[in-house]
Amino acid sequence: EAQVTQNPRYLITVTGKKLTVTCSQNMNHEYMSWYRQDPGLGLRQIYYSMNVEVTDKGDVPEGYKVSRKEKRNFPLILESPSPNQTSLYFCASSLRQGAAYEQYFGPGTRLTVT
Amino acid sequence: GNSVTQMEGPVTLSEEAFLTINCTYTATGYPSLFWYVQYPGEGLQLLLKATKADDKGSNKGFEATYRKETTSFHLEKGSVQVSDSAVYFCALSVTYNQGGKLIFGQGTELSVKP
Repeated sequence: EAQVTQNPRYLITVTGKKLTVTCSQNMNHEYMSWYRQDPGLGLRQIYYSMNVEVTDKGDVPEGYKVSRKEKRNFPLILESPSPNQTSLYFCASSLRQGAAYEQYFGPGTRLTVT
Repeated sequence: GNSVTQMEGPVTLSEEAFLTINCTYTATGYPSLFWYVQYPGEGLQLLLKATKADDKGSNKGFEATYRKETTSFHLEKGSVQVSDSAVYFCALSVTYNQGGKLIFGQGTELSVKP
């Protein structure tokens, strides 16, 4: 089944404790991205990647890191999480970059930072 | 800059009622327009899309027409069902902008009562 998977689905952590949220797709997609969803704000892009070893900042990159060492994986790293990073996170992928290509979303990771 | 505004929710309807969720946009260039749906506890799924002016996207009884003159992409359904209860997001994408990232409205929660 073609899908985007994320792990963990739920995470409660404390301020300053490094964490990684994994994202994997099995569709051989080139383009991957991370969004965060906050009430009243919709989804906002954190980082994106056009292909292996090619990543760039989205609209709200502060406090996050990403890497793209393999085509299928695009982990999101919070080196020193803070309470304002409490949010619902979605990974997405599409065959290629560009508006013509449908983006497929993972099921989401709900992160709480205390 | 590029942005999407959609009507605030929550919207509560009775089964078989007519649904309209308003969406307007601001964009430079020629955006593609999308409606995504998020069912409780799940990721976003593409509901329909339109890539140029006067295009009509349709799926599962939902429709939306790309109106360039009014910069709108309103979502409609003639007869809603309880199973349509979800959060609906209007979004746009412009290919040259960060690889075609999606810019979302804030989401409209729909609740359909039997």
